[in-house]
Amino acid sequence: GENVEQHPSTLSVQEGDSAVIKCTYSDSASNYFPWYKQELGKGSQLIIDIRSNVGEKKDQRIAVTLNKTAKHFSLHITETQPEDSAVYFCAAPPQSNAGKSTFGDGTTLTVKP
Amino acid sequence: DAGVIQSPRHEVTEMGQEVTLRCKPISGHDYLFWYRQTMMRGLELLIYFNNNVPIDDSGMPEDRFSAKMPNASFSTLKIQPSEPRDSAVYFCASSLRGSNQPQHFGDGTRLSIL
Repeated sequence: GENVEQHPSTLSVQEGDSAVIKCTYSDSASNYFPWYKQELGKGSQLIIDIRSNVGEKKDQRIAVTLNKTAKHFSLHITETQPEDSAVYFCAAPPQSNAGKSTFGDGTTLTVKP
Repeated sequence: DAGVIQSPRHEVTEMGQEVTLRCKPISGHDYLFWYRQTMMRGLELLIYFNNNVPIDDSGMPEDRFSAKMPNASFSTLKIQPSEPRDSAVYFCASSLRGSNQPQHFGDGTRLSIL
């Protein structure tokens, strides 16, 4: 099955700095890569996703880059704000099982004011 | 629009008791997922349904766990008998057309088995 590794597990940055979280995956046939944000006491929410036909996607301060050859994708948050503090998860659904996403172990991001 | 709705939000019960968690997916979504989240194991997929039919239950820990989806707007996850190691946050999520589309998560049920 799909194996997803996420790094780092914790990340602390100063407000205004950038944050980068990286995920690697094993199934070369995977073609959809979402990123979720989980705030304390809540369920995860999709913040950005990318499909394998593009290498980068941006939405205001958030961007995702994909390197299909190396099988990794990264979340970039610029001009971080305290409200960006949360746990972030990547996911990579294997093509062999239409419903089964494998999630990374999560990155706890702390943005210090 | 209403998101995925889970109930109860918190459940505290003694070991050996039956626990039933409930989920209402987003209307029109054809996939429903049950996850368990713990510090040790992260987010684990327990089971998922497509059009109310269980497709993959390989993540269900053991026979004490069962899940049903009697109709498109309701699913339950049942633990009987419950054990302290079942303590976790259980999430339900739904999506349109499977895992190649965004999943929409409920706010979870925090389960504590004493």
